[in-house]
Amino acid sequence: GQNIDQPTEMTATEGAIVQINCTYQTSGFNGLFWYQQHAGEAPTFLSYNVLDGLEEKGRFSSFLSRSKGYSYLLLKELQMKDSASYLCAVGDSNYQLIWGAGTKLIIKP
Amino acid sequence: IAGITQAPTSQILAAGRRMTLRCTQDMRHNAMYWYRQDLGLGLRLIHYSNTAGTTGKGEVPDGYSVSRANTDDFPLTLASAVPSQTSVYFCASSDGASGVDTQYFGPGTRLTVL
Repeated sequence: GQNIDQPTEMTATEGAIVQINCTYQTSGFNGLFWYQQHAGEAPTFLSYNVLDGLEEKGRFSSFLSRSKGYSYLLLKELQMKDSASYLCAVGDSNYQLIWGAGTKLIIKP
Repeated sequence: IAGITQAPTSQILAAGRRMTLRCTQDMRHNAMYWYRQDLGLGLRLIHYSNTAGTTGKGEVPDGYSVSRANTDDFPLTLASAVPSQTSVYFCASSDGASGVDTQYFGPGTRLTVL
């Protein structure tokens, strides 16, 4: 079967750094996405990795290791507005996204 | 209109009733998708359309049907609603004709079936 694993919830302090991990087992691999979803709102695109390595975009970075079936999202200089759920999704062999259940990130002052 | 709109925002429905959730995008995207999101579960694909005139089944298609008569609209119909279809429904679209392109989501419809 296909599976995406992420921690259910994480807590971090404003101004700090947090790493959200995602491991996956899918039939094929056609890229990995991270989306942000604030409570009661729609998911919005954060990052896309298809090759191994680190992609940096401002305060957010995403890393991929295809051989390990592993990715992480790194959030730096945390702000209260970063409190949200972070969704990991992998493109499978049918070119459809398989979604993790999401990691709820709580930021404390 | 800018992006994707969904209607209604929320709905309470009696079991056995027919319901159509509407989705319209103005980005001229080729592909469109319907997902349901339930607490503790990832987004699950119900149906998709890679281009106008074609549709396909996702992970959880039973009890749902879709049509794609034109590029902009992708309605989702529940023929006879059941309580297990209580969920938040998201419509999404992507520019390419593939699910692994960046997807843009509508605001969602919160559906309760009693």
